[in-house]
Amino acid sequence: QVQLVESGGGVVQPGGSLRLSCAASGFTFSSFGMHWVRQAPGRGLEWVAFIRYDGYNKYYADSVKGRFTISRDNYRNTLYLHMNSLRAEDTAVYYCSKEGPASYGGGFDYWGQGTLVTVSS
Amino acid sequence: QSVLTQPPSTSGTTGQRVTISCSGSSSNIGSNYVYWYQQLPGTAPKLLIYRDNQRPSGVPDRFSGSKSGTAASLAISGLRSEDEGDYYCAARDDSLSGWAFGGGTKLTVL
Repeated sequence: QVQLVESGGGVVQPGGSLRLSCAASGFTFSSFGMHWVRQAPGRGLEWVAFIRYDGYNKYYADSVKGRFTISRDNYRNTLYLHMNSLRAEDTAVYYCSKEGPASYGGGFDYWGQGTLVTVSS
Repeated sequence: QSVLTQPPSTSGTTGQRVTISCSGSSSNIGSNYVYWYQQLPGTAPKLLIYRDNQRPSGVPDRFSGSKSGTAASLAISGLRSEDEGDYYCAARDDSLSGWAFGGGTKLTVL
């Protein structure tokens, strides 16, 4: 079955950097696009970034553009989110999510359990 | 302020039918599929509806989706206590070159 396991969260000072990872299994990782979605404490879901199945196209929310970089390693079945110039408002649980198949028209069909990033001095 | 607008809360009694609305625009709901997600307390979101009105295998037929123009809705019939949680709509937004979520609706089962 599909499994997505995030790691790399923690406490970081404002202006600092962090790299999140998402280990994927149970499906052909190299055939699907992948998303990062975050959820600030007590708040709703916010889409962060998307990377195409082959890594050649990447899209970002305006709130993270120029600071965050999404990448993937199709040999290691792993998705990454490199976060720089972190701000207090980046504090959230970060979820990785698999893109739905063509029959779903995309979307987010499976989600990991999330990893908490806290930006605080 | 979310791009897709949902009511912050709704409630119903066991066995009742409730609907949750999701309002957007021509750049998102009006031209792309709508998806619905359920997030139970302390858990990750789960896909309930894809392509406006389709249910993944394993999702009970108590859950149904519909769309008209730039608005969509999720209906839950035969309400159960375990349905209590947060519900989100989502759609690709062509003007953002990305994805938009609704602000979420908290469902309380009385």
